[in-house]
Amino acid sequence: EPEVTQTPSHQVTQMGQEVILRCVPISNHLYFYWYRQILGQKVEFLVSFYNNEISEKSEIFDDQFSVERPDGSNFTLKIRSTKLEDSAMYFCASSPGGMAGELFFGEGSRLTVL
Amino acid sequence: AQSVTQPDIHITVSEGASLELRCNYSYGATPYLFWYVQSPGQGLQLLLKYFSGDTLVQGIKGFEAEFKRSQSSFNLRKPSVHWSDAAEYFCAVDNTGFQKLVFGTGTRLLVSP
Repeated sequence: EPEVTQTPSHQVTQMGQEVILRCVPISNHLYFYWYRQILGQKVEFLVSFYNNEISEKSEIFDDQFSVERPDGSNFTLKIRSTKLEDSAMYFCASSPGGMAGELFFGEGSRLTVL
Repeated sequence: AQSVTQPDIHITVSEGASLELRCNYSYGATPYLFWYVQSPGQGLQLLLKYFSGDTLVQGIKGFEAEFKRSQSSFNLRKPSVHWSDAAEYFCAVDNTGFQKLVFGTGTRLLVSP
C-alpha cells in the first residue's frame, strides 16, 4: 500500500540552526500538508500546498518557515532559524484532493531544538 | 471559538470490553468529522469519517462512530476491544472541505488483560 514517508525520523539541532524536513508524498496525490504536534498538545495545521504554491497557512507558519517541492517526488519544510519552541513532531500528509478528501499522514519527524 | 474537545485524556478498558471515546465540536455548521489513530512510532491513520448521510459510520478495525447533531458529538465506539487497539485516538474536524483539520487533544487508550 502506498504511504507517505518522512526523513529524518528524529533530528536534534542547536537553536538558530536551519533544519530541512523531507517528505515523499504518495505519488498520484496533488495536495500536500505539514502539521505539527508539540509534546502534550494538539496536532496543528501549518500549511497546505497545491500546484506548486501555498494554498493556505496558519498563524504559526511565519517567515521562518518555508515549503518547497523541489522535484516531482519530494516535499520539504524548512525552518530557517530554529527556536526552542519549534521542538515538536512534524507530520507530512498528502491527499488526492476533492472536497474533504482523505489525508494520508507520514510517521512524523521529531525535531528537538537545544 | 471553533474547537474540538476530547474530554478523556486516558481511558483503560479490559480486553473484550466495549469502548466509547467521546468527541464534541463547536462549529456553526456541521463540519466534516474524522477519527484518527496513532500507534507508538506510527503516523496518524484514518479510522473513519463522516461527511453527510447516515449518521452511523463504519470504519476500519471494527470501529464505528455516530454523529449526533443535537449534541455536536461524534463518539467513537468498538464493541470488543483487542490489546492491539491500545493507541492514541484523535478526533478531528474540517469545516473548510480542504483538509485543514482541527484536532482534539487525543485520548490515550490502555487495554488491560
